[in-house]
Amino acid sequence: EPEVTQTPSHQVTQMGQEVILRCVPISNHLYFYWYRQILGQKVEFLVSFYNNEISEKSEIFDDQFSVERPDGSNFTLKIRSTKLEDSAMYFCASSPDKGTNSGANVLTFGAGSRLTVL
Amino acid sequence: AQKITQTQPGMFVQEKEAVTLDCTYDTSDPSYGLFWYKQPSSGEMIFLIYQGSYDQQNATEGRYSLNFQKARKSANLVISASQLGDSAMYFCAMREMANAGKSTFGDGTTLTVKP
Repeated sequence: EPEVTQTPSHQVTQMGQEVILRCVPISNHLYFYWYRQILGQKVEFLVSFYNNEISEKSEIFDDQFSVERPDGSNFTLKIRSTKLEDSAMYFCASSPDKGTNSGANVLTFGAGSRLTVL
Repeated sequence: AQKITQTQPGMFVQEKEAVTLDCTYDTSDPSYGLFWYKQPSSGEMIFLIYQGSYDQQNATEGRYSLNFQKARKSANLVISASQLGDSAMYFCAMREMANAGKSTFGDGTTLTVKP
């Protein structure tokens, strides 16, 4: 069964450093997403991406964050000048389309990248 | 305003019994989709079931069913014949047509199945 792949599974970084989290969405999906989950808390939307540009973003997704699709398969989240509060699990997801009235547009999540900022 | 509300932080159920996890939502968009995800202790997000706002019948997927009451804006998840492996966090989520690029998640309900 197709899956979303995320690397690294766990990254530890020093405060102020830049990190790049990588994702390989399902190959025939058109929409890509990043979510984060601070330990034990709710899943928060960061950004969605379609046709090589940001489709929607939340208030969390400020200038510290950026996304890119550098080639035909990878989708990356860059976090600049990391802060302690950026420590979280970051989930990448993809969906075939973004319509709401079809079960085919379910988000498929990757296993997540746990970021620890020291 | 909270768009997805899960009022049960934690629930317990005896193995082999059924359990209902509550979810209410708030939207003025007539077109939306409702989803339930399971997050076991290993951390991955597993899709369980989907209900579209225009669907006439309640969705079912194996032991999972969604009790969709549109007028009350509720989309409760029913798990029948609970198994020990059902112990996990369960999230209700919604996508609206007006903001179809994002899904909003509830705070989650931790389900513990007792042997």
